[in-house]
Amino acid sequence: GAGVSQTPSNKVTEKGKYVELRCDPISGHTALYWYRQSLGQGPEFLIYFQGTGAADDSGLPNDRFFAVRPEGSVSTLKIQRTERGDSAVYLCASSLGQGIRSPLHFGNGTRLTVT
Amino acid sequence: DAKTTQPPSMDCAEGRAANLPCNHSTISGNEYVYWYRQIHSQGPQYIIHGLKNNETNEMASLIITEDRKSSTLILPHATLRDTAVYYCIVRVATTDRGSTLGRLYFGRGTQLTVWP
Repeated sequence: GAGVSQTPSNKVTEKGKYVELRCDPISGHTALYWYRQSLGQGPEFLIYFQGTGAADDSGLPNDRFFAVRPEGSVSTLKIQRTERGDSAVYLCASSLGQGIRSPLHFGNGTRLTVT
Repeated sequence: DAKTTQPPSMDCAEGRAANLPCNHSTISGNEYVYWYRQIHSQGPQYIIHGLKNNETNEMASLIITEDRKSSTLILPHATLRDTAVYYCIVRVATTDRGSTLGRLYFGRGTQLTVWP
């Protein structure tokens, strides 16, 4: 079946601009996660949704970052006033439930480059 | 924040078993061990997870020591396509309205290179 889909696959933007990154989770998955991966590092947690609500947003680095999931399916990660340090691969994942035994399934990410 | 220790790199001949070790000496009784791998330019791929018993699926086997302080991921017949970074993760079970269940601490993983 279809996996987690992320668009765009690549995004280049200028410093100070606003960007939106989209994630389509696996159909039927209620939990959705955003991670960020810098070059040479493992993915780092940003935010986790259960349904429409953010169950844990403690990984968001500052208030320029915001994510929504209004209908409990597609999610959008929004970054305001982008900075060069925001350049990274942004990964989305979904899982069937929120339990510890529900594996996360990741998309291939959006590579964001801020010039 | 990483709660696991893995060697930075390993090599394996194609067709041989690849045994990837992981130390997680501070693991709590209700925390699961998860393994993911990441092939270049792709997102992490789920491999297997376990609590205390050994587990096997179509991709790999997971051997967890009796004291649960370490584990080994076994790829029984490695192929060139298994070349990837392998992450061993302890998934936190603490529930504060489920708020910590989304966090997987990936660390830097083990770069496995399978050579012909």
